[in-house]
Amino acid sequence: DSGVTQTPKHLITATGQRVTLRCSPRSGDLSVYWYQQSLDQGLQFLIQYYNGEERAKGNILERFSAQQFPDLHSELNLSSLELGDSALYFCASSASPLSGNTIYFGEGSWLTVV
Amino acid sequence: GENVEQHPSTLSVQEGDSAVIKCTYSDSASNYFPWYKQELGKGPQLIIDIRSNVGEKKDQRIAVTLNKTAKHFSLHITETQPEDSAVYFCAARGDSNYQLIWGAGTKLIIKP
Repeated sequence: DSGVTQTPKHLITATGQRVTLRCSPRSGDLSVYWYQQSLDQGLQFLIQYYNGEERAKGNILERFSAQQFPDLHSELNLSSLELGDSALYFCASSASPLSGNTIYFGEGSWLTVV
Repeated sequence: GENVEQHPSTLSVQEGDSAVIKCTYSDSASNYFPWYKQELGKGPQLIIDIRSNVGEKKDQRIAVTLNKTAKHFSLHITETQPEDSAVYFCAARGDSNYQLIWGAGTKLIIKP
């Protein structure tokens, strides 16, 4: 158990809908990352937050947004969902963004868009 | 920007044999190189990492080697077991932007 908690574990929704994925980082970790992994694909970095502030942005679509709250949990909002958004979405956390800080992944949220 | 290439994409080895996965990186300023193992339906888990001031690091059956001059690093798994079957990801990170740049992953299959 990495200590990173993601909910929900599984989600099925229709095209055009909006969903929110939730992440609680490891106790004490200030940095949160979101990744997308499509079937048999690698890890696509979406966005990173550090202590409530956006730290880095990857290949995140405009239909997606995220935030990190004062209690350090984070949410990833996916809107106007398309079939191609079906994927495993991972949240990860680290103590800080500094090089050498281990990143710990949650178990992921499986999103299926039908 | 930084780029990490990982080879092979799939590796099939006989149980008990050794497996080697290789990664090359482009940014000479990279100084942290972790390896993650992802089992089916689970999140990636760190199995070993190495920093640029070290050439090799071992942890039981797993070892990582780093060649800074050639800008490549490798994961070595000895005496492979069925539970080693998984997807393995390498990554590299420097101090300039703190972002982990990931390899595409290697699917390791251990044949009984």
